[in-house]
Amino acid sequence: QQQVKQSPQSLIVQKGGISIINCAYENTAFDYFPWYQQFPGKGPALLIAIRPDVSEKKEGRFTISFNKSAKQFSLHIMDSQPGDSATYFCAASKGGGATNKLIFGTGTLLAVQP
Amino acid sequence: GAGVSQSPSNKVTEKGKDVELRCDPISGHTALYWYRQRLGQGLEFLIYFQGNSAPDKSGLPSDRFSAERTGESVSTLTIQRTQQEDSAVYLCASRTVPGAGESYNEQFFGPGTRLTVL
Repeated sequence: QQQVKQSPQSLIVQKGGISIINCAYENTAFDYFPWYQQFPGKGPALLIAIRPDVSEKKEGRFTISFNKSAKQFSLHIMDSQPGDSATYFCAASKGGGATNKLIFGTGTLLAVQP
Repeated sequence: GAGVSQSPSNKVTEKGKDVELRCDPISGHTALYWYRQRLGQGLEFLIYFQGNSAPDKSGLPSDRFSAERTGESVSTLTIQRTQQEDSAVYLCASRTVPGAGESYNEQFFGPGTRLTVL
């Protein structure tokens, strides 16, 4: 059962443009929402993460927007660069001393054209 | 410092054979996870180890899958009688224990082992 739905599956953006990837979750117990970036042949690496007590978090060119009532969150990449070309995964987790296993979306393959 | 390492990087095996995958976590990381990444899909949680506590095996897809971890060091994931649907990239991640007042710490992933079952 897919608990985190991610879209689009793939995305092509021109250099300097804005890349937007969306995710929706079902389990209201989730309280940690990270985004991971994965380059070919590498493991995923944490890009940015947010808790549900804030609606937005920004780190450099990367911003997470979070809508708790809609159970949705999105990643915005401003001034997209060719080096941002990678697969991006959203994820969700439930804390409180538990396993903190990550439930991942299906990924978005981003290609930034020069 | 050294990250999470996994071996082998690639493994090709025949249907019905057993395979063993290895993960070396970051030194000092007490928590260790195994995930599976099928082609075109997100990562699926398989198993979690935390120190000497009983592992969380809730993600293992069948009894052909098992994993072990000795203390806070190396972990091995074993798949018995491999099937073609076991073909995937198997990823290992590790993290430290969150500090006081925190619930989460970043999970650091290894590069994965690509398993192909013919």
